Amino acid sequence: AQTVTQSQPEMSVQEAETVTLSCTYDTSENNYYLFWYKQPPSRQMILVIRQEAYKQQNATENRFSVNFQKAAKSFSLKISDSQLGDTAMYFCAFMKHVQAQKLVFGQGTRLTINP
Amino acid sequence: DSGVTQTPKHLITATGQRVTLRCSPRSGDLSVYWYQQSLDQGLQFLIQYYNGEERAKGNILERFSAQQFPDLHSELNLSSLELGDSALYFCASSRSTGDEQFFGPGTRLTVL
Repeated sequence: AQTVTQSQPEMSVQEAETVTLSCTYDTSENNYYLFWYKQPPSRQMILVIRQEAYKQQNATENRFSVNFQKAAKSFSLKISDSQLGDTAMYFCAFMKHVQAQKLVFGQGTRLTINP
Repeated sequence: DSGVTQTPKHLITATGQRVTLRCSPRSGDLSVYWYQQSLDQGLQFLIQYYNGEERAKGNILERFSAQQFPDLHSELNLSSLELGDSALYFCASSRSTGDEQFFGPGTRLTVL
């Protein structure tokens, strides 16, 4: 079974700073997908970024980028020039490639951006 | 707006009752997933349907059941409700199995 671990329950930074959220996972699969989802106070789950394990290049979406270390089974999210609207719970998630079905989520990191 | 709709937004009911949660996937999406988010268990996968057929089951209780109809909307039925069933229930959809999943706004269930 796959497991996803987010070791930082809470983080807090000042607006415009850069912040990195950590995620590690455990799997015996070679091909899989990794995701970061954002859940603001509205409770809506919003896809932030996606990474395919077979791609060596780290995914980037505007101010959001990942550091994917396959051998270390690590998948961190970097948010640059943080904004007040980035305040949310962030969930790291894993999905198998073969017979991909469910997302396996970590416990989440509560990120607060302070003005 | 993800394009996935869920009704109702909030549901308050009593222990022992039965409720039905409804989900309409994004246009063109064939796969529907149900997840439960609670304080103690986090976000957990319950069940997946693809084009009307059950594809995968997660930690879904026997008191819970789901189905996907020919028009691709899905319903999650929760019966003999217990206090511990209080949670946020999400529906997500994807074009096909393995594609990105887009989440609905969730249904907040409170069992009193």
